[in-house]
Amino acid sequence: GESVGLHLPTLSVQEGDNSIINCAYSNSASDYFIWYKQESGKGPQFIIDIRSNMDKRQGQRVTVLLNKTVKHLSLQIAATQPGDSAVYFCAENRGGGADGLTFGKGTHLIIQP
Amino acid sequence: GAVVSQHPSRVICKSGTSVKIECRSLDFQATTMFWYRQFPKKSLMLMATSNEGSKATYEQGVEKDKFLINHASLTLSTLTVTSAHPEDSSFYICSASRNLGDTEAFFGQGTRLTVV
Repeated sequence: GESVGLHLPTLSVQEGDNSIINCAYSNSASDYFIWYKQESGKGPQFIIDIRSNMDKRQGQRVTVLLNKTVKHLSLQIAATQPGDSAVYFCAENRGGGADGLTFGKGTHLIIQP
Repeated sequence: GAVVSQHPSRVICKSGTSVKIECRSLDFQATTMFWYRQFPKKSLMLMATSNEGSKATYEQGVEKDKFLINHASLTLSTLTVTSAHPEDSSFYICSASRNLGDTEAFFGQGTRLTVV
């Protein structure tokens, strides 16, 4: 079955506000997690990743938090912009570069003007 | 960042025909490529792992005779949907990693297959 899932299918936020997208995973052996952004009709675009030996990682306007105790992953986007509107997927690598990714269901982020 | 290109981006075919989708790594060599399938408003599902110079590894429930994968070079993997049916209509996406053990995967732009 699917080991990575999302709490909310749709999230609507005002432009300029911060957004938080959540993800739950079930495979405690997963050691690498990634957030992807997918716009309509396009392939996933890498946003940020985190390894299981970390609990926080920051990028430009984005922060990923990993809570291994409760198997929870979140993506924080600061000062959202219209271009942030997309579907966001969390994914886990099951171990090693030879394995493909297991994707969560996705959250559709809508930025309201 | 590394570039992965798929071709075609869209294809319409008749039921019973076969369709080939190409996945190329443009600026790096990929020993491993992955093929995913995505239905509308759904997530990506891994179909198979394509290994250069050897047979592909298919996920459970994916018919290897239906979805033929060939990874003949370090920059090209192909997915052939054989005897396509309307239920094969989907968005097919490939990804590639530069090195074995390299966890960052680069995705192609996807191929929209419509079987009529």
